Amino acid sequence: DGGITQSPKYLFRKEGQNVTLSCEQNLNHDAMYWYRQDPGQGLRLIYYSQIVNDFQKGDIAEGYSVSREKKESFPLTVTSAQKNPTAFYLCASSIPRGQGGETQYFGPGTRLLVL
Amino acid sequence: GQNIDQPTEMTATEGAIVQINCTYQTSGFNGLFWYQQHAGEAPTFLSYNVLDGLEEKGRFSSFLSRSKGYSYLLLKELQMKDSASYLCAVMDSNYQLIWGAGTKLIIKP
Repeated sequence: DGGITQSPKYLFRKEGQNVTLSCEQNLNHDAMYWYRQDPGQGLRLIYYSQIVNDFQKGDIAEGYSVSREKKESFPLTVTSAQKNPTAFYLCASSIPRGQGGETQYFGPGTRLLVL
Repeated sequence: GQNIDQPTEMTATEGAIVQINCTYQTSGFNGLFWYQQHAGEAPTFLSYNVLDGLEEKGRFSSFLSRSKGYSYLLLKELQMKDSASYLCAVMDSNYQLIWGAGTKLIIKP
């Protein structure tokens, strides 16, 4: 079955620690996205990638980093510079942006909590 | 700035009809999306509108008026499983999705 997987479902971070969230898709989509969801707010874009080995900052990239070495994978690292990391993190994928109407399909999400 | 407005919460009765409104002000417009999100789960795609008018898909319909910056999602024959948050998102001139905060829909028996 085609889809997007994220792991782990729950992640705990200690002070000063970097943590990496996994996102894998087998939909053959070129574009991938990372969003952050906080209570009472809309999804906010952290990073996106239109193609392998290329990615762009979204609206709230500070304290986060990504890589896109393979089409199927787009891991997100939450660094110690992100002072308020507690949130629900969602990964999504779509056909390349710029054609209009690109539906984004989401993974099940990772909930990050700070110890 | 860019802005998407939706009601925070709505309550409806099982079997009834509910309309969830969304108004938007964005830099350009390349379509409007509705997603459903159950608590603790991923958003799932419901509908996409890029031209004015009504799109019907089973019990769910979505309407768009670009001149008014307005859309609504209409849910008919409500079922308990429709209890969820409904997210409105607009694709702007840079093809980036701008998201509303979502409307939590509570269905009562």
